Parts: sequence; C-alpha cells; structure tokens
Amino acid sequence: GDSVTQMEGPVTLSEEAFLTINCTYTATGYPSLFWYVQYPGEGLQLLLKATKADDKGSNKGFEATYRKETTSFHLEKGSVQVSDSAVYFCALSDRPGGSYIPTFGRGTSLIVHP
Amino acid sequence: NAGVTQTPKFRVLKTGQSMTLLCAQDMNHEYMYWYRQDPGMGLRLIHYSVGEGTTAKGEVPDGYNVSRLKKQNFLLGLESAAPSQTSVYFCASSPSGDTGELFFGEGSRLTVL
Repeated sequence: GDSVTQMEGPVTLSEEAFLTINCTYTATGYPSLFWYVQYPGEGLQLLLKATKADDKGSNKGFEATYRKETTSFHLEKGSVQVSDSAVYFCALSDRPGGSYIPTFGRGTSLIVHP
Repeated sequence: NAGVTQTPKFRVLKTGQSMTLLCAQDMNHEYMYWYRQDPGMGLRLIHYSVGEGTTAKGEVPDGYNVSRLKKQNFLLGLESAAPSQTSVYFCASSPSGDTGELFFGEGSRLTVL
C-alpha cells in the first residue's frame, strides 16, 4: 500500500538557518503530495501542495518539488524564524478505486532558537 | 467561517464507558475522515466517509464506529473505551473531485483511565 517516510526529529536550528526536511513516498498511482504544519495545540493546516511530477509548491517561504524519479517531496526554507517552530507532516493523497485516501508521515518537529 | 468543528475538545472517560465525538463541517465537503494522533505514530486513519450515508474502515478501525447520517456531520463512537484509546482525535474534510487536500478541526483530546 501507499506510505510516506519522513526524517525523524526533532530538528533544531538557529534563526535564519537553512531548513530541509526529507520526505519520500511509495504509491501505486499518481498521488498528490502535501506538506501540512501543526502549531502547538492546533489542528493541521495545509502549508503547500503539488499535484503532478515536477510541480513546485510554495508558501510562506517554504517550498517543495514533486520528484517522481526519486519519489521525494523534500521541504525547504532558506531562512527559518522562531515562529516556524511546529510539527511538519508530509502526506500523499491517492485514489485507489476512485476515493481519495490520504496517507501521512509520522511528522517532524522543528525547533528554532533565537 | 467555522470550517471543521469538533466537540467536545476534551474528555476524560473511565474504562468501559461510551462516548461520541461530533465533527461538523460547513463547507459542503463530500469526504470526511477521523484520525488519531499518538506520539511517534503520526496520524492514523480510523474511518472515513465518501458521502452521506457511507462509511469505510481505515488503518485502525477496531473499537470505533462511525455514522454519516447528514452530509455535514461525521460521528465517531467508542462503545467501550479502553486506555489504548487515549489519544488526540482529529476530524478532517475534503471536497470531492479535488486533489485530496484536507481541512482539519482543532482536535479532541480523550483520556481513558
């Protein structure tokens, strides 16, 4: 079945550092790929998405490129802020049998120090 | 703009008690999902629904039942709560014919003693 693997955390960075969170996937079809962010005490919210190979999703300085050849969707940001501290989830949504079945990675905690 | 609303937000149960979590969405979405979130386990799908009157099992359905009698509501029931069901529960919805993007509620924290 479908699965998502993302790097374990926590990832601890200083403010203005470069961020990469790795995400790879396996899927039987042609899924859409997502990054969701969860701030403390809140539900998940969509950060960015890409629906086909070579698409780049971007939002709030974060970006990720859908790489079909390496089955990856790594999240990057050039300069992180303390306010970016949160848990980040990589996810895919596939349509086996016609219904969207989302699959999530285990989440990566990001801690940014001033 | 309520989006996805979950009630209650917090609940403490004793082993063997029953309860129902309510999820309501006002976006006219076809798809609704219930997940549980546990430390180190990420999000695991319990049950989902692709439309009013339909339900299907997800990855971890045992011990839970669901109903989707109205399009806007998706209920998650625990008939006989167990300590292993202590978790944070998230409801989500998604429009059909789209990319599968989910809209989440704020979560319900359940503790079973």
